Amino acid sequence: QQPVQSPQAVILREGEDAVINCSSSKALYSVHWYRQKHGEAPVFLMILLKGGEQKGHEKISASFNEKKQQSSLYLTASQLSYSGTYFCGTEFQADYKLSFGAGTTVTVRA
Amino acid sequence: GAGVSQTPSNKVTEKGKYVELRCDPISGHTALYWYRQSLGQGPEFLIYFQGTGAADDSGLPNDRFFAVRPEGSVSTLKIQRTERGDSAVYLCASSSTGTGYNEQFFGPGTRLTVL
Repeated sequence: QQPVQSPQAVILREGEDAVINCSSSKALYSVHWYRQKHGEAPVFLMILLKGGEQKGHEKISASFNEKKQQSSLYLTASQLSYSGTYFCGTEFQADYKLSFGAGTTVTVRA
Repeated sequence: GAGVSQTPSNKVTEKGKYVELRCDPISGHTALYWYRQSLGQGPEFLIYFQGTGAADDSGLPNDRFFAVRPEGSVSTLKIQRTERGDSAVYLCASSSTGTGYNEQFFGPGTRLTVL
């Protein structure tokens, strides 16, 4: 079952902040965040595991609310390079299979 | 080090033809995944290999799709009797399952167009 991402799109000026949400109707084992630029491969940003462990880029932060089955990705002091489509991928059990949301398109303008 | 590579980068074929798409994972990664991405959508899971065996092929849409990984490294996704609805970007990813995390690293994809 595909997770639901919101918002679908967001436009920012450099230096502004944004939050992208990812919600699931099923209990989650882990949440993965990727950024994809047009015509390129998705790039791994962050993984959050049930129980609180996480691993990812230093400049990217995210949270995982196990009770709500929801994760949020925080873009802080956005830069032009943050532009792209952000996808969350959810894993319902430790079975390595990811279900991806439809994506959130982020545009950062100078 | 080298990332995941996929060949060809683009493939145009006619309806009814057979195609093979190749994926070369990151060296040492035991897990390999195939996904399909349609325009404006997130990647859709097709199949997952652990070593040489298909651990989960539940995402393959029908029996026209088949994938192999005979030596536990390179994988080939095979599509028989292609249909226009098969047109999409086919992404391959690999991961090292020994870390406890499952960061999947994606290749650039093969854009398949069925005319």
